[in-house]
Amino acid sequence: EAEVAQSPRYKITEKSQAVAFWCDPISGHATLYWYRQILGQGPELLVQFQDESVVDDSQLPKDRFSAERLKGVDSTLKIQPAELGDSAMYLCASSPRQGLENGYTFGSGTRLTVV
Amino acid sequence: GENVEQHPSTLSVQEGDSAVIKCTYSDSASNYFPWYKQELGKGPQLIIDIRSNVGEKKDQRIAVTLNKTAKHFSLHITETQPEDSAVYFCAASIYGNLFFGTGTRLTVIP
Repeated sequence: EAEVAQSPRYKITEKSQAVAFWCDPISGHATLYWYRQILGQGPELLVQFQDESVVDDSQLPKDRFSAERLKGVDSTLKIQPAELGDSAMYLCASSPRQGLENGYTFGSGTRLTVV
Repeated sequence: GENVEQHPSTLSVQEGDSAVIKCTYSDSASNYFPWYKQELGKGPQLIIDIRSNVGEKKDQRIAVTLNKTAKHFSLHITETQPEDSAVYFCAASIYGNLFFGTGTRLTVIP
């Protein structure tokens, strides 16, 4: 079964340091999403890509967060500098061009702890 | 954006009993309603979904109902088993985006 790959699974970083997460969506999925999930809450969308273009980054804290999907395939989410409040699970998801109701799949996430 | 509310936040049931989780949404333009199960340390996994033109859908022990007039939808799990213990999230899709509820931690007591 096709999966969304994410790495690393866990990351511990000191505040003010830079951290990056990687996501490889299901092959052929045009849409890629990055979510942040704070413990005990539902996922919240940070950024959405259609191919290599950003279609929604309204909830992305752009002063410290950046995301790219240069070739329209895999994607990187970066935080610089990290703050204590950034500790959360960062989830990637992908869906086909035909719409998310036709196959929307999450990866296993990256658990970030900022100390 | 869409506002999705989910209740209860925690739910404990005896093995073999039924569990019901309820969600409401705010925007009548929402047209797709998936439910996800999230186990500890893992990403959410789709367990069942329903589109706005359908009132009910069933898959073995799991069913979802949708009331578009009242803007609420529910997840029903029958004959619960210990492996059903997890956090469950409802979501509503509008204009290609998913908005999630706050989750329900279900514990099935053997």
